Amino acid sequence: KQEVTQIPAALSVPEGENLVLNCSFTDSAIYNLQWFRQDPGKGLTSLLLIQSSQREQTSGRLNASLDKSSGRSTLYIAASQPGDSATYLCAVSTSGSRLTFGEGTQLTVNP
Amino acid sequence: NAGVTQTPKFQVLKTGQSMTLQCAQDMNHNSMYWYRQDPGMGLRLIYYSASEGTTDKGEVPNGYNVSRLNKREFSLRLESAAPSQTSVYFCASNVGGGRSGANVLTFGAGSRLTVL
Repeated sequence: KQEVTQIPAALSVPEGENLVLNCSFTDSAIYNLQWFRQDPGKGLTSLLLIQSSQREQTSGRLNASLDKSSGRSTLYIAASQPGDSATYLCAVSTSGSRLTFGEGTQLTVNP
Repeated sequence: NAGVTQTPKFQVLKTGQSMTLQCAQDMNHNSMYWYRQDPGMGLRLIYYSASEGTTDKGEVPNGYNVSRLNKREFSLRLESAAPSQTSVYFCASNVGGGRSGANVLTFGAGSRLTVL
């Protein structure tokens, strides 16, 4: 059974810092990995999707990397802003339509 | 562009009552999903519909039923609500087809259900 772990569970940084969120998964036979953002009381918004054949994806200040063999992904956020405060979740797709989610990292960026 | 719309946003039920959560998407997506989100448990898949006319169980289907009414709509029914079903429920959709988990998911805003 696929298990997804995100470390740390919570992170607080000052504005302007570069930061890295970590995601690990136990079964390396994945189709893809997605990073999502969730604001309090809201649904999830997809940030980046990395196919299993890719090593990284970039969108603006966000860069996600994937190392399938080691079962790890990182989400790098450059020059963090207070508006980046949210919970970030990763999810892996291993069989058909099913995604397995991590519990998320709650990020707070302080002005 | 509405995306994925869920109703109701909030609901309080008594144990044993029944209710249906409604979900509709306007993106012509083939696949639709119902998840529940609980503290310490993350998001868990309840049921999904890979295409119109098909439904399949996810990780935690017990106590729930679903209906894929048409391509746009996918409803989740609780026949006899229990306190353990207190949760936030999310509907999601994607293009689907083939390895449909390979496509970006679009989520609704969620439905917060409390069962007393």
